[in-house]
Amino acid sequence: AQSVTQLDSHVSVSEGTPVLLRCNYSSSYSPSLFWYVQHPNKGLQLLLKYTSAATLVKGINGFEAEFKKSETSFHLTKPSAHMSDAAEYFCVVSVRVQGAQKLVFGQGTRLTINP
Amino acid sequence: DSGVTQTPKHLITATGQRVTLRCSPRSGDLSVYWYQQSLDQGLQFLIQYYNGEERAKGNILERFSAQQFPDLHSELNLSSLELGDSALYFCASSVRTGVAGNTIYFGEGSWLTVV
Repeated sequence: AQSVTQLDSHVSVSEGTPVLLRCNYSSSYSPSLFWYVQHPNKGLQLLLKYTSAATLVKGINGFEAEFKKSETSFHLTKPSAHMSDAAEYFCVVSVRVQGAQKLVFGQGTRLTINP
Repeated sequence: DSGVTQTPKHLITATGQRVTLRCSPRSGDLSVYWYQQSLDQGLQFLIQYYNGEERAKGNILERFSAQQFPDLHSELNLSSLELGDSALYFCASSVRTGVAGNTIYFGEGSWLTVV
């Protein structure tokens, strides 16, 4: 079965320093992977997605993620954190189930930015 | 703004009651999804509709039901409510379904509190 594991429930970084949010996936075939962000009291916003094209995917707000099949990882990075990046981040694998599409969410990583 | 509209944004109701959550998908999107986000279960897929027909079911309780109307808006009906049904309910939409890399856009959610 397809699943995702977000390795850290909480990450805290200082403003201006790099961000790394880790995600491992399990999939029996080539997966489609997404990162979504949820700001407090807001909905889920798509940051980026991987669909078997380039392994390095660039998203919005300076985020990017690299798909590494050998490591079954899809870690999210950003070179320099900004206060507005404080939010909950979800790694997601998309699976096809009987002609429909289903998203399987990780448990989320809460990112805190220290001034 | 994702273009997915959910109403109401907040709802407080008593145990045993019934509520209806409403969702308008993005213009042109035929597929609608419902997800539940709770502290203990995380984000769980409930059900999906495509062009008025049910396409996939997830962890949806028998007390819950949904439908998608000819104008493509959808409603999630929750009945015999229990305290544990308190959660954030997301609606999402996409142009099509059945393609794992299809992008799914989320609304801002409906907060349900059962007291």
